[in-house]
Amino acid sequence: QVQLHESGPGLVKPSETLSLTCTVSGGSLGTYFWSWIRQPPGKGLEWVGYIYYNGNTNYNPSLKSRLTISVDTPKNQFSLKLNSVTAADTAVYYCARLRDYSDSSGRYSYFDYWGQGTLVTASS
Amino acid sequence: EIVLTQSPGTLSLSPGERATLSCRASQSVSSNYLAWYQQKPGQAPRLLIYGASNRATGIPDRFSGSGSGTDFTLTISRLEPEDFVVYYCQQYGSSPPYTFGQGTKLEIK
Repeated sequence: QVQLHESGPGLVKPSETLSLTCTVSGGSLGTYFWSWIRQPPGKGLEWVGYIYYNGNTNYNPSLKSRLTISVDTPKNQFSLKLNSVTAADTAVYYCARLRDYSDSSGRYSYFDYWGQGTLVTASS
Repeated sequence: EIVLTQSPGTLSLSPGERATLSCRASQSVSSNYLAWYQQKPGQAPRLLIYGASNRATGIPDRFSGSGSGTDFTLTISRLEPEDFVVYYCQQYGSSPPYTFGQGTKLEIK
């Protein structure tokens, strides 16, 4: 059973950098996409970005200028860095496995395993 | 950007009843690219349905999905007490590639 676990500071000062790491257990990073999704308190879900195990990335255009997602395959981890944070970046941040594959019925793309989430508050 | 609009925002029903949740897309979405998630308070979303109608592993058969084009539906045939939580639809498409609906809260009447 694949398990994901987010870790990192719960409080970040405005204008500073938010850094989180997701550790994957029960399976390797190989041949999968790994994603970050966030949820402001009491609100809906926003896709942040993903990284493929080989390091290829795709970011939400609304965050692209501030965002870096990286992968550490030997440690079975991937990380998020979001710089110049504001109060609007306050959210529960989830890491998730993105299952993207094709079979005889076509191509599918969805998030099948999620971490429990970690609340990051941007405040002085 | 493809916008997903879920309705109703809140649905009030009783245990044992049938729930029908709607997800409407601003542009046509391939059925293969539509998924549904359930989120309980304080927990991460859980995948229920992928490819519009395929139940994820371990999901009870009272949950079913249907639809095509711009209109998709999640149906819960007989509501159990633990089903009264929030549901999100999600699509894969153009930039940004992944968007979610705003959610439907299922509450006990």
